Amino acid sequence: EADIYQTPRYLVIGTGKKITLECSQTMGHDKMYWYQQDPGMELHLIHYSYGVNSTEKGDLSSESTVSRIRTEHFPLTLESARPSHTSQYLCASSEGDSGELFFGEGSRLTVL
Amino acid sequence: GQNIDQPTEMTATEGAIVQINCTYQTSGFNGLFWYQQHAGEAPTFLSYNVLDGLEEKGRFSSFLSRSKGYSYLLLKELQMKDSASYLCAVRDSNYQLIWGAGTKLIIKP
Repeated sequence: EADIYQTPRYLVIGTGKKITLECSQTMGHDKMYWYQQDPGMELHLIHYSYGVNSTEKGDLSSESTVSRIRTEHFPLTLESARPSHTSQYLCASSEGDSGELFFGEGSRLTVL
Repeated sequence: GQNIDQPTEMTATEGAIVQINCTYQTSGFNGLFWYQQHAGEAPTFLSYNVLDGLEEKGRFSSFLSRSKGYSYLLLKELQMKDSASYLCAVRDSNYQLIWGAGTKLIIKP
């Protein structure tokens, strides 16, 4: 069973607010990812990390930033939320060259 | 550009067999993955193919033809709990996963 946790599960905020979505994994995986997924649509990679102090932007960095100070922790920050950021955000991790991703339960964000 | 195509929705009957197809065009190929995603939940890993042929895992099998850019997921003895979206993803030359939009499978009694 995967041990990867996201908080908050649900969040409703106003435009212009700064928010941080938390993601932690206890599996010691070196690689971590943030995806955005709208209903019925494909997953879009926002950011990824291959290890501590290593972060890269994906196809959809969407005015967000990430940090990887510890192996187990990979938070995503939106500096100024907009209604277009309304979506589900999925955090995932994987080990080595394995393509098998372990996903958290997701954070569903609504920006009013 | 990179593209993954799979049907939007399929319907099948409990106890039957269903085949979900996936075609892809990507810059490089380093494996194809199938994930299952129940409504409102996160995706979970089902299968991985990197060589041509069939991989069987219980009621689920996955097939790959690299020359045709084609894969399918075969589900046998369908159960109501198999109602979910099935996501096809290809790992490209940069070892990044390119995702299809998923096939929503509806199982009827």
